[in-house]
Amino acid sequence: AQKVTQAQTEISVVEKEDVTLDCVYETRDTTYYLFWYKQPPSGELVFLIRRNSFDEQNEISGRYSWNFQKSTSSFNFTITASQVVDSAVYFCALSERINKFYFGSGTKLNVKP
Amino acid sequence: GAVVSQHPSRVICKSGTSVKIECRSLDFQATTMFWYRQFPKQSLMLMATSNEGSKATYEQGVEKDKFLINHASLTLSTLTVTSAHPEDSSFYICSARDRSYTEAFFGQGTRLTVV
Repeated sequence: AQKVTQAQTEISVVEKEDVTLDCVYETRDTTYYLFWYKQPPSGELVFLIRRNSFDEQNEISGRYSWNFQKSTSSFNFTITASQVVDSAVYFCALSERINKFYFGSGTKLNVKP
Repeated sequence: GAVVSQHPSRVICKSGTSVKIECRSLDFQATTMFWYRQFPKQSLMLMATSNEGSKATYEQGVEKDKFLINHASLTLSTLTVTSAHPEDSSFYICSARDRSYTEAFFGQGTRLTVV
């Protein structure tokens, strides 16, 4: 069964627009961790955020913000005032007890100047 | 922060040869390491879980005789792609978990091209 769903395959926006990347997850564990990673063309995974299942507080880091809602099993990621450098593939991931990771299929974000 | 180093970052090999990829945890002891594979424009899929001093656990559909994993120390795991074929061309990335089970860190990845 798929554990992480990123329904948006590709999104294109114009610079300075806000964009939200959706992530829906599925797990039976009460303890789990959710992550967002950025993957530029070079391939390495750039860690953006980790959230544990007991902390539903939303988080803001500069232009990035995350909305975690257990009621809808969602962990959405918003980039405010997008920039060309934000262009990349973004992965949402679930890990149960910091074990193996289940990755979503990724969302490719294209930010055009 | 903790660093996981993966080497080489890129490798091109001839069909039929074997390639070894190393994954090292540089400043922590990793009792468990994970190996993932990512085909072009696809997601990362877990191949196997490697525990120090014991045999790796492979995910369904992954050939254990083709993808040999060794985790001989708490800081090093290796993935050997044996008798490589063009269809093995992929991006391989490792992840290491620290002993306290609070963090997992990813290596930089290895892009394998089999010609």
